[in-house]
Amino acid sequence: AQSVTQLDSHVSVSEGTPVLLRCNYSSSYSPSLFWYVQHPNKGLQLLLKYTSAATLVKGINGFEAEFKKSETSFHLTKPSAHMSDAAEYFCVVSDGVGGGFKTIFGAGTRLFVKA
Amino acid sequence: SAVISQKPSRDICQRGTSLTIQCQVDSQVTMMFWYRQQPGQSLTLIATANQGSEATYESGFVIDKFPISRPNLTFSTLTVSNMSPEDSSIYLCSVGREAEQFFGPGTRLTVL
Repeated sequence: AQSVTQLDSHVSVSEGTPVLLRCNYSSSYSPSLFWYVQHPNKGLQLLLKYTSAATLVKGINGFEAEFKKSETSFHLTKPSAHMSDAAEYFCVVSDGVGGGFKTIFGAGTRLFVKA
Repeated sequence: SAVISQKPSRDICQRGTSLTIQCQVDSQVTMMFWYRQQPGQSLTLIATANQGSEATYESGFVIDKFPISRPNLTFSTLTVSNMSPEDSSIYLCSVGREAEQFFGPGTRLTVL
């Protein structure tokens, strides 16, 4: 069975300071991992994905995430937060099962950015 | 990638009625997924729909409440039956390709 845990329901940072959104996963297979962002009243946007290539994944808008198999983690980081980064972030794990795959969303982390 | 459209984009319905949501993909896909996002919550998988077979429902979701059709490789519908205010959510269609999922814009449903 697969699962994903986002360790913080809310994270608050000041503009210009680093962002860290934590995600741990469990999977019976070699997983694919994703981070999505959802701005208020907007659709889901893919930030980045890990699919068994490089463990450090760079995404859009300056975000990156590192896949650490030993720690079963896939934390999302950004060196310097911008006001426009305020949104809901979802960590997602996807397995290949029986020729298809199943995707599980984490509960989400709401990022607040203070001026 | 995949471009997904959903109809309607939003609707306000009376309790006890049913609403059918359509999902159209710009290319053929094997697996299509339906999710629900309740207000302030994460996405929950309702069911997986493969063309030519019955949909597979997740725990807590049943076919009588959420019947799904998948008549071809580019189209699917989800019906929310006998609606109650608790069904007020965003319903999203998604397709999978090479272990990545692409999401439609969602259908925002309000049940009065």
